[in-house]
Amino acid sequence: ETGVTQSPTHLIKTRGQQVTLRCSSQSGHNTVSWYQQALGQGPQFIFQYYREEENGRGNFPPRFSGLQFPNYSSELNVNALELDDSALYLCASSLPGGMNTEAFFGQGTRLTVV
Amino acid sequence: AQRVTQPEKLLSVFKGAPVELKCNYSYSGSPELFWYVQYSRQRLQLLLRHISRESIKGFTADLNKGETSFHLKKPFAQEEDSAMYYCALYYSGGGADGLTFGKGTHLIIQP
Repeated sequence: ETGVTQSPTHLIKTRGQQVTLRCSSQSGHNTVSWYQQALGQGPQFIFQYYREEENGRGNFPPRFSGLQFPNYSSELNVNALELDDSALYLCASSLPGGMNTEAFFGQGTRLTVV
Repeated sequence: AQRVTQPEKLLSVFKGAPVELKCNYSYSGSPELFWYVQYSRQRLQLLLRHISRESIKGFTADLNKGETSFHLKKPFAQEEDSAMYYCALYYSGGGADGLTFGKGTHLIIQP
């Protein structure tokens, strides 16, 4: 059984560019959530995917979008990058069941926007 | 909107001393609360959840709805407890369904 893996681990982008972050969920987990963690802050919920459909969204603008694939892996896309998008992006996978299931986190992708 | 507050950014105690990490929440629904921990150079992981009423690594947390608190406690701190601790609230509804985290408390156990 493999854990949650994210790629890349680090990247640097220029303001206005677009970025795609990737996440492979833990074996058997069909629910993936994405979080943004700014420096000195706790993770902030972006959205969740279940069976390839968005299943809930936090307070993030539409330029944050995502995909989930049939193998349950997921992508987070951010368009028109802003300096404030610089953060650690965390992916978490779980089984469906909301509060009754444990979310398993990846190591994160550190995005720097310059 | 839901909110989780961890008032202490940093907490330093000596080995063997009691530890209490504070967490307060605001939520209009029935709260489901968790503590997550991140050890140095490791990923964020679940420590315990209130619905399980369990003790993990000597830590316990009791939900107090009257005080809207979910403080994490351990009677005797150990050096391996040094880590970043996050309190989190599960919420559902309004088009969103996920975890709201506090800003975290950095716990340092001194030898």
